Parts: sequence; structure tokens; C-alpha cells
Amino acid sequence: QVQLQESGPGLVKPSQTLSLICNVSGGSISSGGYYWSWFRQHPGKGLEWIGFIYYTGSTFYNPSLESRLSISVDTSKNQVSLKLSSVTAADTALYYCARDLNNHYPIFAFDLWGQGTAVTVSS
Amino acid sequence: QSALTQPASVSGSPGQSITISCTGSSSDVGGYNYVSWYQQHPDEAPKLIIYGVSNRPSGVSNRFSGSKSGHTASLTISGLQAEDEADYYCTSYTSGGSLLFGGGTKLTVL
Repeated sequence: QVQLQESGPGLVKPSQTLSLICNVSGGSISSGGYYWSWFRQHPGKGLEWIGFIYYTGSTFYNPSLESRLSISVDTSKNQVSLKLSSVTAADTALYYCARDLNNHYPIFAFDLWGQGTAVTVSS
Repeated sequence: QSALTQPASVSGSPGQSITISCTGSSSDVGGYNYVSWYQQHPDEAPKLIIYGVSNRPSGVSNRFSGSKSGHTASLTISGLQAEDEADYYCTSYTSGGSLLFGGGTKLTVL
């Protein structure tokens, strides 16, 4: 079955760019019409939506992050990537990637999640 | 964008039913049927338990049900079990083309 696995640097310095990868295994990103999304959860806090990407590359971003955010898909590597620039301590969080339940059109319900990757922003 | 409003905590005894509310506006909950609910146990990824206001994904217990009235969505858990103790989050698609979460509700099974 399809599985998601996030990976990243763990520690990023303030003002630098955070880069995360979501590796998709057990299925091809390009074979289905799914939306893929990134979420994050600050320590001890609730969930926050970061952005979506369709397998064709169309993106939708959280307005509060849009100016610093880039989400892309690499169908050849079967990966979804996130880049967040000019990070601060407020970007310290557990980052998750997830897949929409429906593969024909988005229903904005995510039933497949990775285990998350922790990111700390600190000098 | 303000988060959807959920109670910070609810509690119930085993076998009882509880309801968690999720209040938004006409730009999100009230305007779309793209309301979902997630269950999150400590140190685990969220699990989708309700989508499209009232639909259950395959494998989710029928003790979980969802509904919506106006700008408020609700999650009801019937026949409470100890394993239901978790955090619960609602989400809704918004008119701005984004996804908004509620602040989360901690369910305690007494």
C-alpha cells in the first residue's frame, strides 16, 4: 500500500531556508489525480495547514506562509517537496505530508499521512 | 484567517455520547460541505474519521458521526471507549481556497 515518509535536516538556522521531502512509496504520484498537502504542528499545539499541490504542479498556499513558501512535486522521484525561506523560531514544528482521500477531485480530507519530521529553528 | 472555534476540552464516561462543536462562518463551514474531522493520539499522526461533513472513511467505527447546521459542524462519538481519548480537530475548506483548522478539543474518557 502507499506510504509517505517525510525527511529533513532536523535543525535549521534562523533566516535560512527549510527544505523537506515527502517520499511516496507503493504507488506513483503521477498515476493518480491526488492532491498532496503539507501540515505542521507546533510543539504542544494544534495542526496548521501549509499548502496543497496537485500532481500536475498546481499549488495552493496558506496565505500566512505564501510569501516564504514553495511546494513542488517531482514525479520522476515520486516525491513532494517543501521549501520555506527566512525561517524563525516560530517555524519550529513537526511537519507532516499527507494525501487527499479522493483521486479525481480534491475533497480536502487527508486519509494518508506520514509519521512527520521534526524541525527545530535555532542558531 | 481565524481558526475555527472548538471547545478546548470535553469529557464523558465510558458508554456515554459526547459532541464536539466546530464553529466557523459563511466563508468556510457554512459555505462548503468540505468539513473533516481528525483524531490524534499522543505522538501519532492525525487520523481522518469524518469527511464531507458526515462521511466515514473505510474502517472508521460507526460510533463516530458528523453533522452540520449553519456555520457549526459537530462530531458525535457514541458509546465512548477508553481508546477514544485523544485530541480532535475539525477542518474546513474556505472561500479563499485554503484549509482552516479548529484549535482542537481534548477528549477525556473518565
